[in-house]
Amino acid sequence: QVQLQESGPGLVKPSETLSLTCTVSGASISTYYWSWIRQPPGKGLEWIGYIYYSGSTNYNPSLKSRVTISVDTSKNQFSLKLSSVTAADTAVYYCARLRYCTSTSCSAFDPWGLGTLVTVSS
Amino acid sequence: QSVLTQPPSVSAAPGQKVTISCSGSFSNIGNNYVSWYQQLPGTAPKLLIYDNNKRPSGIPDRFSGSKSGTSATLGITGLQTGDEADYYCGTWDSSLTPGGGVFGGGTKLTVL
Repeated sequence: QVQLQESGPGLVKPSETLSLTCTVSGASISTYYWSWIRQPPGKGLEWIGYIYYSGSTNYNPSLKSRVTISVDTSKNQFSLKLSSVTAADTAVYYCARLRYCTSTSCSAFDPWGLGTLVTVSS
Repeated sequence: QSVLTQPPSVSAAPGQKVTISCSGSFSNIGNNYVSWYQQLPGTAPKLLIYDNNKRPSGIPDRFSGSKSGTSATLGITGLQTGDEADYYCGTWDSSLTPGGGVFGGGTKLTVL
């Protein structure tokens, strides 16, 4: 079965860059679309963006200027970089697979990783 | 402020049925498939319903989904205490090109 695992620093200083990696097991990353989603403590879900194994990306317009998602097919991993972070970026970050995407939209996120809490603080 | 609107909380007794609504617009729910997620306390969200009314393997038929116009509904029958969780609806928003994922603010289900 497909499993996803997030990894990366749990503490990032304000104005620095948050970097996380999602390792995929049980499936080749060279199929499907792969996404990042975050959840601030006690709040709802926010879609960050997705990437296809070819490198094609799509980002949330509200984060687009600060987000980069990349893929490493040799390691079956994809990564998130979020620059110029502030306390408002403190959240649990999840990676997830998209069931499928068409030219105009995507289906559901399934499965999800366990999530990793990233705190932005000096 | 979430793009999709859900009630903050719902409650019902064990064995009863509950519905959770999700309201959007033409550019999101009205024009795209809806999915539903269950988030048990302290855990990651789990897919319950995709493509409006389809259940992934392993999800019991106590959970159902429907969509009409710009609204969607999650139904849960035979409520169990283990169903206490936050439930989120999600879809795609096509108001920009390309579109992007959007979620509701979540609904906390209490099984009394």
